[in-house]
Amino acid sequence: QSALTQPASVSGSPGQSITISCTGTSSDVGGYNYVSWYQQHPGKAPKLMIYDVNDRPSGVSDRFSGSKSGNTASLTISGLQAEDEADYYCSSYTSTNNLKVLFGGGTELTVL
Amino acid sequence: EVQLLESGGALVQPGGSLRLSCAASGFTFSRFALTWVRQAPGKGLKWVSAITDSGATTYYADSVKGRFTISRDNSENTLFLQMNSLRAEDTAVYYCARAIAGWQLDYWGHGTLVTVSS
Repeated sequence: QSALTQPASVSGSPGQSITISCTGTSSDVGGYNYVSWYQQHPGKAPKLMIYDVNDRPSGVSDRFSGSKSGNTASLTISGLQAEDEADYYCSSYTSTNNLKVLFGGGTELTVL
Repeated sequence: EVQLLESGGALVQPGGSLRLSCAASGFTFSRFALTWVRQAPGKGLKWVSAITDSGATTYYADSVKGRFTISRDNSENTLFLQMNSLRAEDTAVYYCARAIAGWQLDYWGHGTLVTVSS
């Protein structure tokens, strides 16, 4: 099964807001509210930033927010900071075949 | 504090075998499903395998089905991944991760590198 579709890269200046999209199908993103977002700095393990489409784990800044419309989910980061520069991956539960988790291809965020 | 610590990664020849371990602490191990996710050098995340909290049910990506076996020892708080018939394309950092509802992954280990090369 194909991965979820994300833009390869996005950029923004400090203080600005950016949005990363994640497009799937009705069998994954559109069918369930189990969409999550992960942040990964180079050489580090992924970190959960958003789960259940728009919930934040304890300790994650409220500058990070999630949403979903149809088969497309989005991650918005407001008030960009240099430390936000990282790769971001979306993920969704899927009901297709035996596969349980789909990831997006990842988006590289550059803070200018 | 939740901790997941992978081990067992190594350089192995094509066709060889390897067993990864993931030692968990800081939470009630037997109450959580667990997964393995891998990341090839310079590439994105790929889900590999998952196991329910009791270990009764397992799931595999098509690319590893029949070659990899996931298991867990709830008495030792450890997750395993037995990898057989390894191929060059299995080269990756392998992460273990704890799963919550909908197989979302709330805690990840630091990863262990598996290199398949002659």
